[in-house]
Amino acid sequence: GAVVSQHPSWVICKSGTSVKIECRSLDFQATTMFWYRQFPKQSLMLMATSNEGSKATYEQGVEKDKFLINHASLTLSTLTVTSAHPEDSSFYICSARDMGGGATDTQYFGPGTRLTVL
Amino acid sequence: GQNIDQPTEMTATEGAIVQINCTYQTSGFNGLFWYQQHAGEAPTFLSYNVLDGLEEKGRFSSFLSRSKGYSYLLLKELQMKDSASYLCAVMDSNYQLIWGAGTKLIIKP
Repeated sequence: GAVVSQHPSWVICKSGTSVKIECRSLDFQATTMFWYRQFPKQSLMLMATSNEGSKATYEQGVEKDKFLINHASLTLSTLTVTSAHPEDSSFYICSARDMGGGATDTQYFGPGTRLTVL
Repeated sequence: GQNIDQPTEMTATEGAIVQINCTYQTSGFNGLFWYQQHAGEAPTFLSYNVLDGLEEKGRFSSFLSRSKGYSYLLLKELQMKDSASYLCAVMDSNYQLIWGAGTKLIIKP
């Protein structure tokens, strides 16, 4: 199946610093990538939809100036958490939509990045 | 509004069969997905249904009834490694995934 990688897998940072998370589709092109956040024992929450070459679409309540998304190529999207605070500590997961011609239009998930802000 | 309902938690015995139900009300329908998520890991894709009926894939099967807004995931010959959360998600008319809260499946020996 399609493979999506995420880097780093975990990161610990000090409050006020910025953290960049990369999401790559390794064996397919993804015109659309999604960024999710998941708090412990809770469901996935969509943060934003990232389309290659255009601005990301953010869900209600998600600050676009705090969570910067760049989808510069068909295989790479980045999420930068700016001026991170302890409440931003969470599990961040990206997914990429395989638009390779199949009818499934399935989203494949990266392994996730666990962010801890001290 | 859009809504996906699935049980919060289920318990089953190793070797048995379990059915996890999912009902949905969404604005439009472009398919229903089931994902498996082990604790601390990202979800992995299990199945996709867009037409009514049963899709079988090894020990896992998924059923869809669009008229009833209903799906189930059937797991046979349960193994301890099947202990995980199972997420139901529907793709709406805008091709956005609407997620259920997930069903935590506990497998007992």
